[in-house]
Amino acid sequence: AQSVTQPDIHITVSEGASLELRCNYSYGATPYLFWYVQSPGQGLQLLLKYFSGDTLVQGIKGFEAEFKRSQSSFNLRKPSVHWSDAAEYFCAVGARGSTLGRLYFGRGTQLTVWP
Amino acid sequence: GAVVSQHPSRVICKSGTSVKIECRSLDFQATTMFWYRQFPKQSLMLMATSNEGSKATYEQGVEKDKFLINHASLTLSTLTVTSAHPEDSSFYICSARQDGPEKLFFGSGTQLSVL
Repeated sequence: AQSVTQPDIHITVSEGASLELRCNYSYGATPYLFWYVQSPGQGLQLLLKYFSGDTLVQGIKGFEAEFKRSQSSFNLRKPSVHWSDAAEYFCAVGARGSTLGRLYFGRGTQLTVWP
Repeated sequence: GAVVSQHPSRVICKSGTSVKIECRSLDFQATTMFWYRQFPKQSLMLMATSNEGSKATYEQGVEKDKFLINHASLTLSTLTVTSAHPEDSSFYICSARQDGPEKLFFGSGTQLSVL
């Protein structure tokens, strides 16, 4: 069965520090992988996605993620965090092809940024 | 970029009443839309896949008679929470899939509070 694990429920970093949010998945085949960000009471904004090709994916707001097949991981990184990055981050996996859109989400990581 | 509009953003209703939530794709046709539910401080759980012109496909454990989904046009899917109870209070989010190339867009969500 498919599942997504985000082991860190809450992470606190200082502004300007680097960030890495972990994501591991269990899936029958190579899935599509996504990172979304959610501000309180808001919908989801796509940060980046991996479908195929280069395993290092660049996203918006200076985020990047690396797909490591051998580790079933898709960790999100940012070299220098800004206070506006404080939010909830969700990793998600989905099937390829006609069932794209049926996403399975991790439980999320709440990011707090200290000034 | 493509936009998905979800309405209302917030609704409060009395127990026993029904509530309809709309999800519209504003600048593309979406043959498939998806409905998710998010409990406070928890992840998003896929409820159902909405297919234009046919019956929705519900995930295991989701009551189809409780959560009625209608996808009558290529730009509109509706979720009706029937005979709502306080335990139905949640954040509901829709997404729409754009075909060729494959893209997913999320609505901004609806916070339902049942008194």
